[in-house]
Amino acid sequence: GDSVTQTEGLVTLTEGLPVMLNCTYQTIYSNPFLFWYVQHLNESPRLLLKSFTDNKRTEHQGFHATLHKSSSSFHLQKSSAQLSDSALYYCALSESNNRIFFGDGTQLVVKP
Amino acid sequence: EAAVTQSPRNKVAVTGGKVTLSCNQTNNHNNMYWYRQDTGHGLRLIHYSYGAGSTEKGDIPDGYKASRPSQENFSLILELATPSQTSVYFCASGEGLYEQYFGPGTRLTVL
Repeated sequence: GDSVTQTEGLVTLTEGLPVMLNCTYQTIYSNPFLFWYVQHLNESPRLLLKSFTDNKRTEHQGFHATLHKSSSSFHLQKSSAQLSDSALYYCALSESNNRIFFGDGTQLVVKP
Repeated sequence: EAAVTQSPRNKVAVTGGKVTLSCNQTNNHNNMYWYRQDTGHGLRLIHYSYGAGSTEKGDIPDGYKASRPSQENFSLILELATPSQTSVYFCASGEGLYEQYFGPGTRLTVL
């Protein structure tokens, strides 16, 4: 079945350093949608960015990700972390009209 | 603006008791979902629905029932609550391959 893997449970880094959160996926479908959701403390998850186009960079709120179907990856990046980026990040996959498959999430902690 | 509301926001229940969590959406989305969120497990899908009258089992349906009486409302029912069901529950609505909109969550404690 479909699945999403986020290898890091916790990423801790210093403000100003680059962010990269890893996401790989498995699906038999050739045209999946990939998403990144962000959840700040005591809030609900909300969409950060999404893509279904191979090798095209998508950006939102300073974050960017590129869907690479050849490697089944959709890593989230940001050039310079801010304290306000501290949150739980979910990578997710959708390939049909019914549900989204979420990874286990990566907790990002940005320290001064 | 998309809106998903949940009630109650907090609930304390006793083991063996019945608990009903309610969700309402004003997005006119066909699909609605119930997730639970536990540290280390992320978001896990319990039940979902394609529209009024339909319910489908997600990845962890045991111990839960769902009801979708209308386009707007989707309930999660715990007939015999157990301490292992202590968690934060999120309802969401969505359409097709596009994003899901989450409610504010319900914190359930089963004693």
